[in-house]
Amino acid sequence: DGGITQSPKYLFRKEGQNVTLSCEQNLNHDAMYWYRQDPGQGLRLIYYSQIVNDFQKGDIAEGYSVSREKKESFPLTVTSAQKNPTAFYLCASSIVQGEGGELFFGEGSRLTVL
Amino acid sequence: AQRVTQPEKLLSVFKGAPVELKCNYSYSGSPELFWYVQYSRQRLQLLLRHISRESIKGFTADLNKGETSFHLKKPFAQEEDSAMYYCALREGNKLVFGAGTILRVKS
Repeated sequence: DGGITQSPKYLFRKEGQNVTLSCEQNLNHDAMYWYRQDPGQGLRLIYYSQIVNDFQKGDIAEGYSVSREKKESFPLTVTSAQKNPTAFYLCASSIVQGEGGELFFGEGSRLTVL
Repeated sequence: AQRVTQPEKLLSVFKGAPVELKCNYSYSGSPELFWYVQYSRQRLQLLLRHISRESIKGFTADLNKGETSFHLKKPFAQEEDSAMYYCALREGNKLVFGAGTILRVKS
């Protein structure tokens, strides 16, 4: 079954703790992305990666970190430096070249900071 | 500065009525625009892209460079069209999304 898998679906965290969200894809896509979805603000790009061992900051990278050690995996760490981490996080992937570069999304992870 | 603007948070129409979801963009080069849709309890997915000039599920969108718009239209709304719709603009290797519009089709 091909696609993008995010885990966990729901996560609770205490203030001051780091938390890592997992994103795995078996679509053989080169590019992967992390977006944050907030009501009234749409999707905002946190980080993206076009190739293994390389990634770039998006519009709201502060307080987040990522790694891309494998093509299939692009985990996102929400650090204690992120001032407002409670949100819905979406991971996506795409082929870098080709028609349109359509994004394929995971089901999302909802993080709540208590 | 907002690069993709969707002015309506919520659009409510009756079944069979025409639908127009507005999208305006700001981009200095030749824009590449998309509409994505998220149905209830489903993943966000591509609906259509302007370069394909296609009609998907009865929806069309025309790029108007003069008005910097890419409005999504459907002549007769169906209940199953109820969803969240996002307009998106390609900037280099990434997509920038608007705030989204909830479309509610009432019976």
